[in-house]
Amino acid sequence: KAGVTQTPRYLIKTRGQQVTLSCSPISGHRSVSWYQQTPGQGLQFLFEYFSETQRNKGNFPGRFSGRQFSNSRSEMNVSTLELGDSALYLCASSSGGFQETQYFGPGTRLLVL
Amino acid sequence: SQKIEQNSEALNIQEGKTATLTCNYTNYSPAYLQWYRQDPGRGPVFLLLIRENEKEKRKERLKVTFDTTLKQSLFHITASQPADSATYLCALGSGYALNFGKGTSLLVTP
Repeated sequence: KAGVTQTPRYLIKTRGQQVTLSCSPISGHRSVSWYQQTPGQGLQFLFEYFSETQRNKGNFPGRFSGRQFSNSRSEMNVSTLELGDSALYLCASSSGGFQETQYFGPGTRLLVL
Repeated sequence: SQKIEQNSEALNIQEGKTATLTCNYTNYSPAYLQWYRQDPGRGPVFLLLIRENEKEKRKERLKVTFDTTLKQSLFHITASQPADSATYLCALGSGYALNFGKGTSLLVTP
């Protein structure tokens, strides 16, 4: 099976812009979770989608949003970018059951200037 | 507030020794705990899962313990090898969400 893919892999934006990141889960997986990873805060949970519905949400401002399509692919959007949004954004997929292993993609490295 | 703590200092050990990594948590009642490995520039990779009613789990050279009274998990790598050098993350789960610690960097030297 192909792994989780994320596009783009690298991105440079300026403050105030918005960005959309994409994630394609492992075939058959219905759950996609998004995480932000920074050296200072570590890996922080953003949100999780299952069957096109947001099932869990972390403690991030409303500038961070996401959606999931019927084919389980997911996108996350960050509006009005701030310097502090510079991070590695990781998505992970699973079958969506309780206590499931999460399979991570390689991440998108976002730099906000 | 909920807190997950892993040793922030890197752990340096000699090849062949046992590496022991610690994960402590507060204000949390996880139903399960997972350990992941992360190499630079890559996403985390799942290693082991242990449930709240389990004391110990093993997989090849890996062993994890889970003490819900002490609110602590220990992760052991026996007969460590330089290829085990990476950052190891613990993640606590309740429901469908995972909350990660900041990870501990392990360096195994020949």
